[in-house]
Amino acid sequence: KAGVTQTPRYLIKTRGQQVTLSCSPISGHRSVSWYQQTPGQGLQFLFEYFSETQRNKGNFPGRFSGRQFSNSRSEMNVSTLELGDSALYLCASSQGQPSYEQYFGPGTRLTVT
Amino acid sequence: SQQGEEDPQALSIQEGENATMNCSYKTSINNLQWYRQNSGRGLVHLILIRSNEREKHSGRLRVTLDTSKKSSSLLITASRAADTASYFCASRGSGYALNFGKGTSLLVTP
Repeated sequence: KAGVTQTPRYLIKTRGQQVTLSCSPISGHRSVSWYQQTPGQGLQFLFEYFSETQRNKGNFPGRFSGRQFSNSRSEMNVSTLELGDSALYLCASSQGQPSYEQYFGPGTRLTVT
Repeated sequence: SQQGEEDPQALSIQEGENATMNCSYKTSINNLQWYRQNSGRGLVHLILIRSNEREKHSGRLRVTLDTSKKSSSLLITASRAADTASYFCASRGSGYALNFGKGTSLLVTP
């Protein structure tokens, strides 16, 4: 099976702009989660989607949003970018229940200037 | 929010030696998972241990879980230079989020 894919891999944006990141889960996986990784805060949970519904959300401002499509592909959007949004954004897919493993994609490296 | 802590933060060993990393978490869990990350790239899933398991093996990896102490350890036997990476534990409760520790940076020198 192909693994989790994320596009784009690298992105440079200017403060105030918005950005959309994409994630395609492993075939058959219906759950997609997003995480932000920074040197200061480490890995932090953003949100999780299952069958197009957001089931869980982390402690991030409303500028961070996401959605999932009927084919389980997911996008996350960050509006009004701030310098502090520079991070590695990781997507993970899973079969859906907490007892299952989560498999991560290679990440999108976002730099905000 | 981060829930766990790994110990040590950094570990340097020579090839052939064993590497042990410890992890603590704060609340009750459904399972605990260990991941490896090379140089800011994606996380590679290593092993999952469920709350009712005490020990699990996978190749050169051995993971233990002590739910009474809310702690886990990862042992890598006969380390290789290719094992150089950051290692993270992530606990999962009844919800859908993984709570990550800050990671242990492992350096294996030839």
